[in-house]
Amino acid sequence: QSVLTQPPSMSAAPGQKVTISCSGSSSNIGNNDVSWYQQFPGTAPKVLIYHINKRPSGIPDRFSGSKSGTSATLAITGLQTGDEAEYHCGTWDSSLNAKVFGGGTKLTVL
Amino acid sequence: EVQLVESGGGFVQPGGSLRVSCAASGFTFRDYWMSWVRQAPGKGLEWVANIIQDGTETYYVDSVRGRFTISRDNAKNSLYLQMNSLGAEDTAVYYCARENFGGNAPNFDYWGQGALVIVSS
Repeated sequence: QSVLTQPPSMSAAPGQKVTISCSGSSSNIGNNDVSWYQQFPGTAPKVLIYHINKRPSGIPDRFSGSKSGTSATLAITGLQTGDEAEYHCGTWDSSLNAKVFGGGTKLTVL
Repeated sequence: EVQLVESGGGFVQPGGSLRVSCAASGFTFRDYWMSWVRQAPGKGLEWVANIIQDGTETYYVDSVRGRFTISRDNAKNSLYLQMNSLGAEDTAVYYCARENFGGNAPNFDYWGQGALVIVSS
């Protein structure tokens, strides 16, 4: 069971906006940065967001991150079929003294 | 071009040992913290361990502390994970990842392709 809670699956139509939630506690998300990763089947994860809302070079601004209290959110606008993938959130947990991840959200673009 | 290439995965019996390696190229390896992250089949990501640039500090998730050892050889641009007393729960794809952007969160900008470790009798 993961420290951070994500919905196991979500679906949306092309062109729409989707928000993926990541819920934690004061020992992790509440007091630390959050990162988000995109992972296609059989491949390594790729960073989309770091430091809550920063995008590495090459990541389109359709992807954005935010945090409120002990929850974080990844928003994807203008959904494309190529966005169909698994999305993972991650942060530091001060109680566990470990980097922790959510269980992942499988996004289907119908 | 930054590349991380894992090797050394395979089958191992419960209680056995295995070492996975990660060959780095395309960047100054000695300048970066490095981590191992694993993913059990059909499951989420789990950070396993990391190591400071000069190898003098290492950190582990509780579930592997005392059984796994992370190390590096900066002269060979290589990262290692020695895994002992393996159990079925250690079956996973093991990724090496470069830490960047600062901070304690999982801020990994490059990942290897992964090495599959299967613990089974």
